Amino acid sequence: QQQVKQSPQSLIVQKGGISIINCAYENTAFDYFPWYQQFPGKGPALLIAIRPDVSEKKEGRFTISFNKSAKQFSLHIMDSQPGDSATYFCAASGSFGNEKLTFGTGTRLTIIP
Amino acid sequence: NAGVTQTPKFQVLKTGQSMTLQCAQDMNHEYMSWYRQDPGMGLRLIHYSVGAGITDQGEVPNGYNVSRSTTEDFPLRLLSAAPSQTSVYFCASRRDRGRGSGANVLTFGAGSRLTVL
Repeated sequence: QQQVKQSPQSLIVQKGGISIINCAYENTAFDYFPWYQQFPGKGPALLIAIRPDVSEKKEGRFTISFNKSAKQFSLHIMDSQPGDSATYFCAASGSFGNEKLTFGTGTRLTIIP
Repeated sequence: NAGVTQTPKFQVLKTGQSMTLQCAQDMNHEYMSWYRQDPGMGLRLIHYSVGAGITDQGEVPNGYNVSRSTTEDFPLRLLSAAPSQTSVYFCASRRDRGRGSGANVLTFGAGSRLTVL
């Protein structure tokens, strides 16, 4: 049973465009929603995270949008660059991240010139 | 400050063999965990530990054992390797529960790629 569903599985975006990755969750006890970025041959690393008391969080070119009623959240990458090419994982946890983290299936993002 | 160190980086086993994947962290993190990464399946939690002497099962624990005798180390044991255990394994740790900013950020190792023939 996949508690966090992520789409699309892969995404190709032109340089300068907007990349959008979507996630949906089922467990209403989840209250911490991070995104992790993974480059080939490396472990994932935290990119940005949000708690459900806000609908949007922005850090540089990266923005999380959160819709509590729909149980959905998404990652937007503005002005996408070739260096953003990586695999992105959404995740969810309870107790503001102090419980075990459940990951989505990942999105392989490729930014083309 | 090395962070989370995993060894070996690569390993090939035959079906039925046993082995241990090592994980060590030097950040005094209370929480440690093991994930496996498979194409199309994302990262799935195998086992985790909230402190020395305490371990618990994740969503895919069968065929794996863990122990946590020290804060620093969290080895993952494959008891009798099967081809279905071919995967990339990641160890991840997190600072003390609820203690300050960043306490809930998982720090991952570089991964161990295991092939079972």
